[in-house]
Amino acid sequence: GNSVTQMEGPVTLSEEAFLTINCTYTATGYPSLFWYVQYPGEGLQLLLKATKADDKGSNKGFEATYRKETTSFHLEKGSVQVSDSAVYFCALSLQGAQKLVFGQGTRLTINP
Amino acid sequence: KAGVTQTPRYLIKTRGQQVTLSCSPISGHRSVSWYQQTPGQGLQFLFEYFSETQRNKGNFPGRFSGRQFSNSRSEMNVSTLELGDSALYLCASSLLGLAGGLGTGELFFGEGSRLTVL
Repeated sequence: GNSVTQMEGPVTLSEEAFLTINCTYTATGYPSLFWYVQYPGEGLQLLLKATKADDKGSNKGFEATYRKETTSFHLEKGSVQVSDSAVYFCALSLQGAQKLVFGQGTRLTINP
Repeated sequence: KAGVTQTPRYLIKTRGQQVTLSCSPISGHRSVSWYQQTPGQGLQFLFEYFSETQRNKGNFPGRFSGRQFSNSRSEMNVSTLELGDSALYLCASSLLGLAGGLGTGELFFGEGSRLTVL
């Protein structure tokens, strides 16, 4: 079946540290890949996306590259801020399915 | 413009009761999806509607149902509530859905309706 696996959290970092949140997927076909972020008390917001192999999504200093050979879409940021504290979800969608398949989420806490 | 609005935000029910949750999408959006979020199962897809037609449905029992009205507003209903139905129910809207199946569309999520079943 189609699934997404994220690194287990929670993850705690100091401000200005480098961030990596691992995401790998299993899919029948060629999915589009997404990172969504959920700030406390809010709904999910799209952070970035990539629709085909080797595409790089980027937004707010975050980046992720669609790696078909390793079936991965790792999220990275060079220097995190306290305001980046949130839960991050990796997700995929398949052609015609009209739904997102989410990973379990990774809670990120940034300490000043 | 206004975002996705879900009502009620919080509700408490007892086992065996039923509940109806409402979602008003962003103006002009014709696709509405519903997801259940729990600590144990994470985010799971319930169903998606477009122009009043259900296009996709997740693996949930028949107690979970939904509908969409001509103004794109959507409701979901859970009958004969069980303790395990306690969750945050998230609604998401988009212009056309995950556009043409290519996954390029963006979903805009509401803040959710938190249901507690006692």
